[in-house]
Amino acid sequence: EDQVTQSPEALRLQEGESSSLNCSYTVSGLRGLFWYRQDPGKGPEFLFTLYSAGEEKEKERLKATLTKKESFLHITAPKPEDSATYLCAATVGAGNMLTFGGGTRLMVKP
Amino acid sequence: EPEVTQTPSHQVTQMGQEVILRCVPISNHLYFYWYRQILGQKVEFLVSFYNNEISEKSEIFDDQFSVERPDGSNFTLKIRSTKLEDSAMYFCASSEGTGTGELFFGEGSRLTVL
Repeated sequence: EDQVTQSPEALRLQEGESSSLNCSYTVSGLRGLFWYRQDPGKGPEFLFTLYSAGEEKEKERLKATLTKKESFLHITAPKPEDSATYLCAATVGAGNMLTFGGGTRLMVKP
Repeated sequence: EPEVTQTPSHQVTQMGQEVILRCVPISNHLYFYWYRQILGQKVEFLVSFYNNEISEKSEIFDDQFSVERPDGSNFTLKIRSTKLEDSAMYFCASSEGTGTGELFFGEGSRLTVL
């Protein structure tokens, strides 16, 4: 069974304190690994797509990386507005059937 | 900025009733999806829809569920004979293409079954 697991479940950081979120996956034939951000009461918002091990993508204070078993979302010098739940998802086929992890709830204190 | 809109934002229904959740995808998108999130649990795929037919569906999407694109703009999810365990946030999403994982989600419809 395809599984996506995220850790930690929750992370509290001080503003400016860099850290990383982990997403490990066990899927048969990964096609793509995706990161989304979800604010309370809202739908997920697309951040990144990664397709192959060694690939990296960056956007502002966020950088996503991919290995053969896991992905990391690195947050550099976070700000309070980065507080949200970060979701990782994987696809194994040609479609967009995303298998989501449970998310990491990030709280950044000023 | 174009967005996916969903109605209603919250619906309360009695067990056994039928509900229809509505979505207006982004206008030039061709692929449409329903996902759901039970409180405190993962976001789960229900169904994808392309060219007026279901392209993929999960085990959750059984005969109780159906989807329809009744006109050129709306995309609906019908849940027949609702059960308590159908209580969840239902998210509609759309995408230009397939395989990219870049889905645009609506804000969700919260369904409460009593």
